[in-house]
Amino acid sequence: NAGVMQNPRHLVRRRGQEARLRCSPMKGHSHVYWYRQLPEEGLKFMVYLQKENIIDESGMPKERFSAEFPKEGPSILRIQQVVRGDSAAYFCASSPGGGPSYEQYFGPGTRLTVT
Amino acid sequence: KNQVEQSPQSLIILEGKNCTLQCNYTVSPFSNLRWYKQDTGRGPVSLTIMTFSENTKSNGRYTATLDADTKQSSLHITASQLSDSASYICVVHPQAGTALIFGKGTTLSVSS
Repeated sequence: NAGVMQNPRHLVRRRGQEARLRCSPMKGHSHVYWYRQLPEEGLKFMVYLQKENIIDESGMPKERFSAEFPKEGPSILRIQQVVRGDSAAYFCASSPGGGPSYEQYFGPGTRLTVT
Repeated sequence: KNQVEQSPQSLIILEGKNCTLQCNYTVSPFSNLRWYKQDTGRGPVSLTIMTFSENTKSNGRYTATLDADTKQSSLHITASQLSDSASYICVVHPQAGTALIFGKGTTLSVSS
């Protein structure tokens, strides 16, 4: 049973370009969470999705950021018109259920560098 | 404001020694408190999960304690190994909402 997979592992974008980060949850998991880790900071919650639904996006910046988890395929975190401040590690986690008692399993992260 | 503070920020110990990492939180009420290990360049891996009613939870050489009255938790590592070198993160799941609240972590370096 493969773990949570994220790709690409490293992504370099110039200011103004778009970044697309992909997350494939563990088999049997239908709940996905995205987190951002800025340098020297702790992880910060961004968004929680179930298949085809956004459940909680309270941590998402209001502009330029969007997330989806389609019926088929991986979850996508999309950042439009990237700026230098978007440089960070983005982690995805998945769980079999959505309550606090469920363990979240993290992927290896995508390191985004904006030049 | 819900916060999770960890100390020390970094720690260096000799292989075979024990150490204790601290976590203070203001999140209340909360569903559970978790400790994660994050190796450099990797995602966090769960070590322990404790509900507010639990005082201690062990996972091999890792033992977590929780004092809900003082809002403190600790992670004790016994007989440290070189592979224990990593960042250890205290995480609180508030009772309301889905967002986990992460501390900044303690960076542990175990040397031979």
